[in-house]
This record gives sequence, C-alpha cells and structure tokens, in this order.
Amino acid sequence: AQSVTQLDSQVPVFEEAPVELRCNYSSSVSVYLFWYVQYPNQGLQLLLKYLSGSTLVKGINGFEAEFNKSQTSFHLRKPSVHISDTAEYFCAVYNNDYKLSFGAGTTVTVRA
Amino acid sequence: NAGVTQTPKFQVLKTGQSMTLQCAQDMNHNSMYWYRQDPGMGLRLIYYSASEGTTDKGEVPNGYNVSRLNKREFSLRLESAAPSQTSVYFCASSAADTQYFGPGTRLTVL
Repeated sequence: AQSVTQLDSQVPVFEEAPVELRCNYSSSVSVYLFWYVQYPNQGLQLLLKYLSGSTLVKGINGFEAEFNKSQTSFHLRKPSVHISDTAEYFCAVYNNDYKLSFGAGTTVTVRA
Repeated sequence: NAGVTQTPKFQVLKTGQSMTLQCAQDMNHNSMYWYRQDPGMGLRLIYYSASEGTTDKGEVPNGYNVSRLNKREFSLRLESAAPSQTSVYFCASSAADTQYFGPGTRLTVL
C-alpha cells in the first residue's frame, strides 16, 4: 500500500507570511494525492487534489500544491496566510483499492 | 443537503460497555468509511463499505463491527469498549475520488 509522510508536525507562521507544508509519498506507477484541512472541532474538508494533468494544482482559500514525480513530493503552499488558516492539514494518497492513507498531520498556527 | 451526519457528538463510556455510532449521508454515495483520529497518527481506517451490502476491514478493525444498513447508513459498533478506543471517530462517504467527512464523534472510555 502507498503511504505519505508529512515532514513537519507543527508550523508556526505570522499573518500575511507565506507557508509551505511538506508531504512526500511512496512511489507508485500512478498516484492520486490530496490535501485536506481540519479546522478546530470540525471534520475534514478537501483543499485540493491531484489526479493527473498539470502538476500545479489550485485549491480553495488560496492554497496550491505542486506534484513532483521525481522527488515524490506534493507540497502545499499559500503565499499569504490569515488567522483563519489556523488548522490541521493532512496529506493523503489513494491506494489501488481506493482507500485513503493519511499522513500524521501538520498543525499550522497563524499569529498576528 | 446535510452531507454526512454523525450521532452522537460526544460520548463517555465505562470499560466493557457497548455502543453504536451512527452515520448517514444524503449524497447517494456508494462508498462509506469509518476512521479514528488520534494525536500524531492522522486518520486510520477502521472499516469501509464499497457498496450497499458489503463491508471490509481497514487498518485497525479489532474491537469494532460495522453494519451497512442501507445505502445511506453505516454504523460502527463497539461491543466491549476499552480505554484504547478513546478517540475521535469520523465517518466519510464518496462516489469517486473525493471523500466527504462528517463532524466526528468524540468518544472517551474510562
């Protein structure tokens, strides 16, 4: 089964600064990759996904991610964060049997 | 559309008690899932149901059972709760590649 590794467990960042959350996946012939966000005391919601095509994927709330096959990475970025971006972010990969495997999560704390 | 709903939102059990977590979706999705979320471990799949009438074990099925009652509903049962089952439980559903999550049930087993 495929798996993902999120390289940072906590990322503190100041408001209006850029942020990058790192995710690496185990290699496979084809791969579907996802980023989900969990706001405090809520369920997960989809930020963006890569299925095929353009390696730069744009999602909701100004987030984007780049699929890099040679480095087996799918890093998430936002050029300028807001206080409301404080949340936990999960990278996930679909296995061949259409089950999701999640990373351990990255907690982003945005400070004024 | 309510999406995915879960009941209850919070529950406290004593060791050895049983309970059922309920999940329902109104998006006509074929597939449904139960996950548990523990700090530093992401979400781990307990059971899933690819379609009505079928269920399969996920990564951490021990101590749990499931029922896919119909296309809308997928319940998770703890027959004899243990403190190790203290967690936040999420139900999800999908029609294709994207999973939609419920708000979660926070379960504490004393």
